This record gives sequence, C-alpha cells and structure tokens, in this order.
Amino acid sequence: ETGVTQTPRHLVMGMTNKKSLKCEQHLGHNAMYWYKQSAKKPLELMFVYNFKEQTENNSVPSRFSPECPNSSHLFLHLHTLQPEDSALYLCASSQGQDTGELFFGEGSRLTVL
Amino acid sequence: GQNIDQPTEMTATEGAIVQINCTYQTSGFNGLFWYQQHAGEAPTFLSYNVLDGLEEKGRFSSFLSRSKGYSYLLLKELQMKDSASYLCAVRDSNYQLIWGAGTKLIIKP
Repeated sequence: ETGVTQTPRHLVMGMTNKKSLKCEQHLGHNAMYWYKQSAKKPLELMFVYNFKEQTENNSVPSRFSPECPNSSHLFLHLHTLQPEDSALYLCASSQGQDTGELFFGEGSRLTVL
Repeated sequence: GQNIDQPTEMTATEGAIVQINCTYQTSGFNGLFWYQQHAGEAPTFLSYNVLDGLEEKGRFSSFLSRSKGYSYLLLKELQMKDSASYLCAVRDSNYQLIWGAGTKLIIKP
C-alpha cells in the first residue's frame, strides 16, 4: 500500500455515540495532521503530530480527541458530537512538520444526527 | 487577520485556457501551494512557488508576485478531468498553512 489511507470513508453517528477515525500513512513521514473541511470554507487545521508528539491543537473542542501511537498511525476519537461537526475530516502527512507539501487521505465523511 | 481570497466558482470550455487567481494577506510568507481536489477525493499537490515568477509543469503553470500578494494557476488545453476544486494555501512566517476556500472549476464540452 502507498499513500495515506483513511477509514471509515463514511460515518453516521448520533450525538451520544463514540466512534473513531483512523489514518495510516505509508510514506515514511514524520508529521501527521487532522483537518476539517466544510463546504465552501477553508481547510481548518485541528491537530498536528510531529514524531508522535502533539505540537498543535487549534482550540479544538474536547469532544475531539486525537491519538498518535506511532509515526504511521493517527486516530481521531469522537464523543458527544454536535450536528455542526458534520464535515469531511482529512488526514495528511508531510516529511517534517510545516515543511514540504502535504499528502492527504481521501477523508472520512462524518454526519452527526 | 490572515486571509486568502480566490473565486468561488469558474466555468471554462474544454480545450481552452483558464486562470484561477489567489490573493493573500498573511503575516510573512514562506511559500504558496496549489492543490487540486476532485469531488470525493483527496487534495493532491500541484505546485509550489516561493520566488517571484512562473513555474511551469506540463499543462499547468503557477505564477507568484510576492510584492502584490498574488498568485495564479494557469490551466491550458483544458480537459473534462480538470473539473475539480483548486485550493490555494500560503505558508506564513510561523510556517503555518493558511488556506483559501477553494475555486470550483467546471469544464463544459
């Protein structure tokens, strides 16, 4: 496998559910990112991990909880979400934090009922 | 505040040329990126400009003027598969990426 892989591609959840998004990169990169993409809005950076350490948390509500067990895997744990959290969640990686271009996964389309 | 402006939507004809503009106001500048995103797919890297001038890559070219805070992406010999959203992003003085909302390009036969 190559590139950045995200699962699931689609997720529907109620406001009281707990679910997780998974991202895996096979590029040997050291930095991984979570972005939120809403229609007609710029990409919103949520979290950044560099060498498994969280280096950025852009004032993201605690109902989103990231986890990075190693440089190849990144999770986003979801709990007690709101309907306005419905969006496309994109994972990306880069060789180093804030250097070079980003390689994106195809995203997880989340719908919160 | 920091801001990236690009048109929301553009329409062009197959075989023609289209120019997608991007203007930016950021705290510092450390490069400008263009990404292509087909509907339901991952954004993919197209080009990177850090110095003024034109970078050509096949049918796609990207131009940068740092003094004007301006870039454009030029697509030649348009094909139907070029229908996509095009995202402009600027790396600021803190090396943070500031993103535009994207330009949806519609190609008509």
